[in-house]
Amino acid sequence: KAGVTQTPRYLIKTRGQQVTLSCSPISGHRSVSWYQQTPGQGLQFLFEYFSETQRNKGNFPGRFSGRQFSNSRSEMNVSTLELGDSALYLCASSSSRGTGELFFGEGSRLTVL
Amino acid sequence: AQSVTQLGSHVSVSEGALVLLRCNYSSSVPPYLFWYVQYPNQGLQLLLKYTTGATLVKGINGFEAEFKKSETSFHLTKPSAHMSDAAEYFCAVSDKRTGNQFYFGTGTSLTVIP
Repeated sequence: KAGVTQTPRYLIKTRGQQVTLSCSPISGHRSVSWYQQTPGQGLQFLFEYFSETQRNKGNFPGRFSGRQFSNSRSEMNVSTLELGDSALYLCASSSSRGTGELFFGEGSRLTVL
Repeated sequence: AQSVTQLGSHVSVSEGALVLLRCNYSSSVPPYLFWYVQYPNQGLQLLLKYTTGATLVKGINGFEAEFKKSETSFHLTKPSAHMSDAAEYFCAVSDKRTGNQFYFGTGTSLTVIP
């Protein structure tokens, strides 16, 4: 069974640009969550989607958005990039509505110059 | 609000020695607790989890953790460290209200000295 796949793995952008990251969950998983990981702030929850609906949202500005498609694949978008957006963005999928195990992808490492 | 505190951002142990990584949580409702491990340039892998039932939980690679409600703790242990255990370890909490919104600790970097 294939794991969680995130693309791209690495990317470099400049301030003011926008970026879209993609996540394909484990087959059959309907929940997809996104986390931002930085050395200073650790792992912070961005949002969760279940069956194309956003269920929870973390404390991030509106520049961070996401969506989920009918096949459970998810994308997150960050507009007007800032230097502080440099981070590892992790996607996690789950088969349950909550408190089940999260299966993480390897992440997309974003560098903003 | 939920939170997790991991005492010790860096822990060093000798190969073969006991591994003890500390985690304390704060939750106003019964918590679900998790330990994840992260190797360089990789995502997080679940080591073990506590949801309900037995408070001593056994995980992969010889790790175990004990849920102590009175101490609000969920410390991770392994009797004998192996070089391959060197990694970053994260404790996390969630509950039925927050579902798949996990709150993570800041992590503990484990170094194993040969």
